[in-house]
Amino acid sequence: NAGVTQTPKFQVLKTGQSMTLQCAQDMNHEYMSWYRQDPGMGLRLIHYSVGAGITDQGEVPNGYNVSRSTTEDFPLRLLSAAPSQTSVYFCASSYSSERKLFFGSGTQLSVL
Amino acid sequence: SQKIEQNSEALNIQEGKTDTLTCNYTNYSPAYLEWYRQDPGRGPVFLLLIRENEKEKRKERLKVTFDTTLKQSLFHITASQPADSATYLCALPYNNNDMRFGAGTRLTVKP
Repeated sequence: NAGVTQTPKFQVLKTGQSMTLQCAQDMNHEYMSWYRQDPGMGLRLIHYSVGAGITDQGEVPNGYNVSRSTTEDFPLRLLSAAPSQTSVYFCASSYSSERKLFFGSGTQLSVL
Repeated sequence: SQKIEQNSEALNIQEGKTDTLTCNYTNYSPAYLEWYRQDPGRGPVFLLLIRENEKEKRKERLKVTFDTTLKQSLFHITASQPADSATYLCALPYNNNDMRFGAGTRLTVKP
């Protein structure tokens, strides 16, 4: 039982490049989400999904896209990377309406 | 606007002591509040959930209180150990699908 798996762990991009951060969970959780964590600012919600085929925006969605074709996978796409997107990204999932989030180990992204 | 403030960025305590971390919030009316632990280079790990009708919740050496009048939650660690050194985050539901997090308090327990 792996929990929430994120890849890659580290990534360096040049401004304007695109990439996809992968997230998979094996707990059959309906709810999945992406957060970014910046120093002194706490975790901020980018996008979330309450089930396959359903996604919605969180607090800071601009510059990011998501899709949810299966219960297990919830990839995050950066369309045209900007230095402001340098951050640590966490995927999280939950089985409950009370969140009790399970987090992945994070992806550290640098945009030069 | 909504705010979640955790008492200080960093706390240092001696092993065996009890310490209290504070989470204050404004312009929220949460039905519950959660606490997470985060170790360096890792994702947060869920510790405790306390509901608005619960004054106190305990788990092993941890105790959490929730005062909806003061808009505050207190997180206590008793008989602290170096292994308790971590960043502790509080989180509130902004709506049904959006948990908002405080910036965290980094706790260091010195032997």
